Amino acid sequence: RKEVEQDPGPFNVPEGATVAFNCTYSNSASQSFFWYRQDCRKEPKLLMSVYSSGNEDGRFTAQLNRASQYISLLIRDSKLSDSATYLCVVLSGTYKYIFGTGTRLKVLA
Amino acid sequence: EAGVAQSPRYKIIEKRQSVAFWCNPISGHATLYWYQQILGQGPKLLIQFQNNGVVDDSQLPKDRFSAERLKGVDSTLKIQPAKLEDSAVYLCASSLGLAENTDTQYFGPGTRLTVL
Repeated sequence: RKEVEQDPGPFNVPEGATVAFNCTYSNSASQSFFWYRQDCRKEPKLLMSVYSSGNEDGRFTAQLNRASQYISLLIRDSKLSDSATYLCVVLSGTYKYIFGTGTRLKVLA
Repeated sequence: EAGVAQSPRYKIIEKRQSVAFWCNPISGHATLYWYQQILGQGPKLLIQFQNNGVVDDSQLPKDRFSAERLKGVDSTLKIQPAKLEDSAVYLCASSLGLAENTDTQYFGPGTRLTVL
């Protein structure tokens, strides 16, 4: 089993839709979780950190479920500019960041 | 605040040649990471430094890859000799190296390597 697993997608959604991605992790001792956004041919950029049960930033909501060992990212009112790959990242061990393979999102006009 | 700097941005070499990448982390960041990202995959950690010491190099192909972080600031990653399967983006990232539940890493723009 991979340490961090994501559905690779692609998720094709119309503008204005709500879309959610899930990510599961295997190490129950993991303490910190992140969502990064990566545009085509660009570096990953931090979207949100998830340190406790979850947090919200505008149209984006991240939630953590420690019992089931998954985190989720919800995007409301999708914009064309949200089209990107969303990487789930788990901090596990001594500053050891484990990346999922990413979920591709395409928002359609 | 200046971000993570990397050079070169692009490199094309032939197999069996050597190549080196350079990274300058965000000022004050103790932890530095080198990742390899193959198209369609997430970044894979190659090596992790804490100041100038290696924390994790378990996934570094040591027969051809080497990395150093002299003086605990800049770092170089070298491949010698390169193989076709080394074609990828090499990402450098850094973080403050705080307590585990508050640390966050930031990425440089990457070096896109093509091995012909």
